[in-house]
Amino acid sequence: KAGVTQTPRYLIKTRGQQVTLSCSPISGHRSVSWYQQTPGQGLQFLFEYFSETQRNKGNFPGRFSGRQFSNSRSEMNVSTLELGDSALYLCASSGGLVGTDTQYFGPGTRLTVL
Amino acid sequence: AQKVTQAQTEISVVEKEDVTLDCVYETRDTTYYLFWYKQPPSGELVFLIRRNSFDEQNEISGRYSWNFQKSTSSFNFTITASQVVDSAVYFCALSSPGGANSKLTFGKGITLSVRP
Repeated sequence: KAGVTQTPRYLIKTRGQQVTLSCSPISGHRSVSWYQQTPGQGLQFLFEYFSETQRNKGNFPGRFSGRQFSNSRSEMNVSTLELGDSALYLCASSGGLVGTDTQYFGPGTRLTVL
Repeated sequence: AQKVTQAQTEISVVEKEDVTLDCVYETRDTTYYLFWYKQPPSGELVFLIRRNSFDEQNEISGRYSWNFQKSTSSFNFTITASQVVDSAVYFCALSSPGGANSKLTFGKGITLSVRP
């Protein structure tokens, strides 16, 4: 079974631009979660989508948004990029049972904001 | 609120040594799940083990074993006969169905270096 895939793997943007990251979950998984990883803050939960609906959201500004498609693929968007948005963005998929299922992670997208 | 503490930040061992990674958690939920993930330099978080709060039986899986103790809120992870390929950052994580939030709460991670 193919794992979680994320594209692109690396991205360089400048302040003020916007960016869209993509995540394809493991086949059959209906939940997709996004996490931001930085050296200072560690791994932080951004949001979770299940059946095309945002089910949970972390403490991030509205510049961070996402969506999920009918095939469970998900995208996250960051608008008006700031230097502090430079991070590894990890996507995880699971079967969807809230707080119960094991989350499997993709390789991440490393975003650098200049 | 949930919290995971990994007091060790960096551990360095020589190959074939055993190493134990400590994890202490806080949660008000009676049902919860604990995980260990490994993050090699490539960046991907690799799932290692999972434990349910209602099952305190400790197990061994190959070179990995874990010690889950609810009385001390600890979920320690041991690698036996460590290998160079075990070098990575190891994260302990917690989730619970309470509050209808499926997010994982992670510790800060432990960097393990295994020297030949």
